[in-house]
Amino acid sequence: EPEVTQTPSHQVTQMGQEVILRCVPISNHLYFYWYRQILGQKVEFLVSFYNNEISEKSEIFDDQFSVERPDGSNFTLKIRSTKLEDSAMYFCASRGYSGANVLTFGAGSRLTVL
Amino acid sequence: DQQVKQNSPSLSVQEGRISILNCDYTNSMFDYFLWYKKYPAEGPTFLISISSIKDKNEDGRFTVFLNKSAKHLSLHIVPSQPGDSAVYFCAASWGSARQLTFGSGTQLTVLP
Repeated sequence: EPEVTQTPSHQVTQMGQEVILRCVPISNHLYFYWYRQILGQKVEFLVSFYNNEISEKSEIFDDQFSVERPDGSNFTLKIRSTKLEDSAMYFCASRGYSGANVLTFGAGSRLTVL
Repeated sequence: DQQVKQNSPSLSVQEGRISILNCDYTNSMFDYFLWYKKYPAEGPTFLISISSIKDKNEDGRFTVFLNKSAKHLSLHIVPSQPGDSAVYFCAASWGSARQLTFGSGTQLTVLP
């Protein structure tokens, strides 16, 4: 079964450092998303991406965050200067076509900011 | 801003019995509702969904009911099995981007 792949599975970084989280969505999917889950809290929407541009973003997705699809397969989330409160599980998801409603999620990348 | 609410953080049921997980929403624009299951250290896995034009959708042991007038949906699992023990998230979507708004989750424990 096709799956969304995320790397790294766990990253530890110092506050103020830049972090890039990588995702390989399902190959024929067109819509891409990043979510995060802070420990003990709900899964929160960060950003959606379609046709090489951001289609929606939440208030969490401020100037410290950026997304990119650098080639035909990868979808990345960059945090420019990490803060302690950025520690969370980050989930990538993808969706096939405009009429589809189900998002397929990756296993997540755990980010720990010290 | 809790547009999707799951008021029960946990639920325990005996194996073989019915599990009923509840979810309420406030945004009338939502037109599609989904249930995801999540194990620790894994991503959410899609379980079952329902369009706002329907009131019931069934898939094997899983049935989702939607009451639009009450802005309420529920997931029924019959019969419950120990492997069903996980966190269950209710989610809703609308608009062209179809991003999901999640509830806070319910930890289901099925006791053997």
